[in-house]
Amino acid sequence: QAQLKESGPGLVQPSRTLSLTCTVSGFSLTSYGVSWVRQPPGKGLEWIAAIWSGGSTDYNSALKSRLSISRDTSKSQVLLKMNSLQTEDTAMYFCARFSYTSPFDYWGQGVMVTVSS
Amino acid sequence: DIQMTQSPASLSASLGETVTIECLASEEIYSNLAWYQQKPGKSPQLLIYYANSLNDGVPSRFSGSGSGTQYSLKINSLQSEDVTIYFCQQNYDSPFTFGSGTKLEIK
Repeated sequence: QAQLKESGPGLVQPSRTLSLTCTVSGFSLTSYGVSWVRQPPGKGLEWIAAIWSGGSTDYNSALKSRLSISRDTSKSQVLLKMNSLQTEDTAMYFCARFSYTSPFDYWGQGVMVTVSS
Repeated sequence: DIQMTQSPASLSASLGETVTIECLASEEIYSNLAWYQQKPGKSPQLLIYYANSLNDGVPSRFSGSGSGTQYSLKINSLQSEDVTIYFCQQNYDSPFTFGSGTKLEIK
């Protein structure tokens, strides 16, 4: 069964860079894509970025200048970097699996990121 | 970007009742519409994909319909475990935008 697990720092200072890792098992990153989605406390879901099975990438247009998504297929990991963090970036960050024929069918448990000095 | 307008924001219903949640896309999304259920403190779970296909393990009281820009999620015979938050999402075109969510409560 597919599994995804997010990891990263719980606390990041404003203006710093956030690095998150999504480690997957039970499927191959060359067969499925992985997206990142975030959710500020008590609010809705915001799609952030995706890396497709072929390696191409897509970004939320409002965040694109601050984002980078990549993958290491040998480690079954997807990496998300977001720079110039602000307090409004405080959120639970999820990674989720998708494909050309299926939306986000498996999700990680999420990692809470707080931006604060 | 495709905007997803979800309504209502909150909904109060009695156990056993049938409820409907709607999503309106700002442009044609060719049935590339998914519904998710999110319980407190948990990650979202896929209920419906491609507008009307039930994900594995999802109870048959959940159903989806719609086409073009208008879509809906129906829950028949509301159960206590259904009382939570629901989101729609278009996966037709990047960015894969979500609706703002519907909080379902017991009357």
